[in-house]
Amino acid sequence: EDQVTQSPEALRLQEGESSSLNCSYTVSGLRGLFWYRQDPGKGPEFLFTLYSAGEEKEKERLKATLTKKESFLHITAPKPEDSATYLCAVLYGGATNKLIFGTGTLLAVQP
Amino acid sequence: EPEVTQTPSHQVTQMGQEVILRCVPISNHLYFYWYRQILGQKVEFLVSFYNNEISEKSEIFDDQFSVERPDGSNFTLKIRSTKLEDSAMYFCANLRSGRAIQGAKETQYFGPGTRLLVL
Repeated sequence: EDQVTQSPEALRLQEGESSSLNCSYTVSGLRGLFWYRQDPGKGPEFLFTLYSAGEEKEKERLKATLTKKESFLHITAPKPEDSATYLCAVLYGGATNKLIFGTGTLLAVQP
Repeated sequence: EPEVTQTPSHQVTQMGQEVILRCVPISNHLYFYWYRQILGQKVEFLVSFYNNEISEKSEIFDDQFSVERPDGSNFTLKIRSTKLEDSAMYFCANLRSGRAIQGAKETQYFGPGTRLLVL
């Protein structure tokens, strides 16, 4: 069963139309939740790390928040250059350092 | 900001051939990883490597796969006898600190990937 689920699978926004992407997780012992951006044919580009419920991080038009069951990536007044796939990944447990990824949300921002 | 680099960017090979994918990690990073992403699917963990040995591997990482740091800097992934289903993007990732301490910086930085196509 999926440990990390992202929704929606795809999202189309008009430039300036704010929205949120969701990442829900079912793992226990969360050590970190990570947001990455991935452009077509490229590697995941690090955006944020969140460690505990209530934590928030911001970078330009992006803001990531974390609760005990999910994380949101809020995009305020997006621009076409924000178009990409946004990946969520979790790190959990004691001894492992492997990331468990969700399937991503494909965001398209139209001018 | 220092970056992870990978070579080649693209590799086309025949089924049954050996391929070696190379990664130049960020210099002060201690943990090294390989992940793969089959087209349209999730990024999947393959293997982690620390202190010149494998620390963890997934069920995907069978006897056909191996990793090493041949010269103490480059980090390689070898597939001995490629199969059609090995076609994917392969990403190298680095982690500076492997300490599992809440609040420690545990971010993995990814390279641009190698697109492997097995015919």
